[in-house]
Amino acid sequence: GAGVSQSPRYKVAKRGQDVALRCDPISGHVSLFWYQQALGQGPEFLTYFQNEAQLDKSGLPSDRFFAERPEGSVSTLKIQRTQQEDSAVYLCASSLAVKAQGNTYEQYFGPGTRLTVT
Amino acid sequence: KQEVTQIPAALSVPEGENLVLNCSFTDSAIYNLQWFRQDPGKGLTSLLLIQSSQREQTSGRLNASLDKSSGRSTLYIAASQPGDSATYLCAVRRIQGAQKLVFGQGTRLTINP
Repeated sequence: GAGVSQSPRYKVAKRGQDVALRCDPISGHVSLFWYQQALGQGPEFLTYFQNEAQLDKSGLPSDRFFAERPEGSVSTLKIQRTQQEDSAVYLCASSLAVKAQGNTYEQYFGPGTRLTVT
Repeated sequence: KQEVTQIPAALSVPEGENLVLNCSFTDSAIYNLQWFRQDPGKGLTSLLLIQSSQREQTSGRLNASLDKSSGRSTLYIAASQPGDSATYLCAVRRIQGAQKLVFGQGTRLTINP
């Protein structure tokens, strides 16, 4: 597709349920990022992949959060035993890993998944 | 730790005015700075990206400046229109090897017809 896509766009989960959020990056983009955006705040970094390798997971808030990108394209962010504080918009972004004229390391964002934990 | 601050948190101006949004960051060792626009319920749209070696970038009615030594960037919007109403976010990428973006909390802009 032309841009980064995410599904579902909206997810309501009861406290304690597990959820899985999907990201389809732009075709050919090597790098993939997950960010969490709380209401009224800027996005905060969660984790980063280069191809299938998870190179940075320093932003994951707890061991209930797990991300994977097994074939270096589609990525899934999984949250186990959801809590109310997990309610946020989860944004995915992708970028080329190599310098390209006019778009050096620019990250392109998807529309996000709004997660509400009740 | 890099911290990014945007002032003001919200701004409301009449249509047609020129305006400036501010962004400051605590660590000047940045690779680039990006300005984004976010509409309600939508993702982020990149407006301008400034490399650390550059002083400004322009796109249409938008002009972004970067003063790395003082840790500041401004986004200038000329002749504002109601369609410019959105939240504007700035983000810095710290160094070449660190891929993540560090965001400010955003400025919510309202342009009144």
